[in-house]
Amino acid sequence: GQQLNQSPQSMFIQEGEDVSMNCTSSSIFNTWLWYKQEPGEGPVLLIALYKAGELTSNGRLTAQFGITRKDSFLNISASIPSDVGIYFCAGHIIQGAQKLVFGQGTRLTINP
Amino acid sequence: GAGVSQSPRYKVAKRGQDVALRCDPISGHVSLFWYQQALGQGPEFLTYFQNEAQLDKSGLPSDRFFAERPEGSVSTLKIQRTQQEDSAVYLCASSFGSRTDTQYFGPGTRLTVL
Repeated sequence: GQQLNQSPQSMFIQEGEDVSMNCTSSSIFNTWLWYKQEPGEGPVLLIALYKAGELTSNGRLTAQFGITRKDSFLNISASIPSDVGIYFCAGHIIQGAQKLVFGQGTRLTINP
Repeated sequence: GAGVSQSPRYKVAKRGQDVALRCDPISGHVSLFWYQQALGQGPEFLTYFQNEAQLDKSGLPSDRFFAERPEGSVSTLKIQRTQQEDSAVYLCASSFGSRTDTQYFGPGTRLTVL
């Protein structure tokens, strides 16, 4: 089963608003990744984080790897209609078989 | 294009039928992964290949699921005697090197078992 808790499950916002979502886990991760999935497509990587405390931006997207290695957040500034989709956090657990584990997703809906 | 491709994109099967899902990874990618994505959930790991070797099949839900990659490129996920709970999107991903390298996903095959 899933080992990442992602919140919120869904968001309904106005165009231009900022968005924040996060993931937490009881396990320690050595990478945190944020993906976006649109209908009928596979997930597309947005941001990858490799070090505790790392803060990385990709255009209007900013993500951070938590100091405890058990959490991460993704912020989207000044949302636009094409930001609509499902956002997933994912990571490789520091122990074991290094599987990529995904959160349950945050569905973002934007009212123009 | 040069991305990961999957076929068929949609598959409808009657309960008890066998199905085969194909994945063409990005050329030159060593690692290949299969995931199962239930409706409203994130992808869940099924199995991992490094070249032709299946190094991890711990996520396969039952012995009805079988995956192969005989020549280290194209992979097939086979599900025997399909059940309704097998209905899901099956995603394939590939990465250039190790299993912790960036994974590039295909569009998935949506399987519906009636």
